[in-house]
Order: sequence, then C-alpha cells, then structure tokens
Amino acid sequence: DTAVSQTPKYLVTQMGNDKSIKCEQNLGHDTMYWYKQDSKKFLKIMFSYNNKELIINETVPNRFSPKSPDKAHLNLHINSLELGDSAVYFCASSQDQWSTNEKLFFGSGTQLSVL
Amino acid sequence: RKEVEQDPGPFNVPEGATVAFNCTYSNSASQSFFWYRQDCRKEPKLLMSVYSSGNEDGRFTAQLNRASQYISLLIRDSKLSDSATYLCVVKGGIETGGFKTIFGAGTRLFVKA
Repeated sequence: DTAVSQTPKYLVTQMGNDKSIKCEQNLGHDTMYWYKQDSKKFLKIMFSYNNKELIINETVPNRFSPKSPDKAHLNLHINSLELGDSAVYFCASSQDQWSTNEKLFFGSGTQLSVL
Repeated sequence: RKEVEQDPGPFNVPEGATVAFNCTYSNSASQSFFWYRQDCRKEPKLLMSVYSSGNEDGRFTAQLNRASQYISLLIRDSKLSDSATYLCVVKGGIETGGFKTIFGAGTRLFVKA
C-alpha cells in the first residue's frame, strides 16, 4: 500500500486554467505538506497543515489554495495557472511537526506543465 | 546567503570510490539534520539522520559540526546504485506552529562502471 499518494502524476494544461492536485496519506500522521520542486531541482516548502489547520504558509501567490478536509488529506488548488507554475509538486507527511527528529514521507510527485 | 548550501556537483566517480558531500546551514538554532536521497524523477527518501556524535549506516557516514554549521556525508565503496541526488536537510528555527524543514539544492552523484 502506498503511504502517501497523490494524483494526478502528470498534469498538462493551458495558461489561465484552474487545476487541483489531491493527496492522501494512510500513515495516521498529523502533519501534511506541499513542496514545489522547480527546474533547478530546488525543493521548497509551500504549505504545512497540522490536523487540518494551516501552520506554515510560505510566500506563495494567492492563486494557490490548500484545503484539508481531514488530517489524512491535503489538496492543492491552483487558479489562473501561469507558465512559472510548471514544476513538480510533492505532497509529504510527518507524524508531528513539533518533533524535531522525524522524517518526511513523500508522495511520488505531480509533474505540472503549463503551456 | 541560502539557508542550506551544498556542493553543486555533479560528482562523477568510478565504482568503488569514496566520495564526500558537504553542506552548510545558516540558522544556528537549527535542531535536526538529515540526508535524503532523490533518484531521477522520483520522490526524496530519507537516507539517514545526522547526529552530533556522527553516525554510520553501512557504507554511509554522516558528520555534524554545530560550531561550524557544517554537515557531511561520506560514501565508501560506491556502487552504481548510489547514483542519485543527495539532499542536505535542516530542521529548526521555530515558525508559528512548528519547525521549518529546509532542503538544500542537492548534489548529483554519478557512479560509473
């Protein structure tokens, strides 16, 4: 069973469209994250949720809106897609954001290409 | 200055070689340190945590120098399967609601037969 699963794996869309990426974890973790990995392979945190509550919100355009219906799910909705949004988006989870020495479990990534 | 900086690479080494990666971090309040491995077009996966006393896992040895804010990873007897990008990861500097995890840009390793 996949611990952190995200869909779709590939997403090709036109500029200006709205799209969503879904993420689910079956590890019973409290904290979930969205990371963006750009063409230079730099992995940057976008959002972090703990038990459905937003706890970290990096400098991300308002066009990006995370939604956590329950602690096992964290979806990412993107409005008015731009060329610069093209990247690989990784969902991740961890047991508890207050624990310093714990690992992140990543989903397999969603390759978003905006044309 | 980037919060976590790594050797840019790529490192091209023959099988059996020993290779070392370095990483520095800027936030002296950082609490935890890790090395993750990312294969091409795959997600990052934890390779090992890094402890102050240094730690070893098979052919992999990680070291931490808090005074110099420096982390290293040594791979002995390189295998073809070690070819990947190695990400230095630092956790700490409390943000509202939790600790922030920062990834370095990664160092690519190619092990050749």
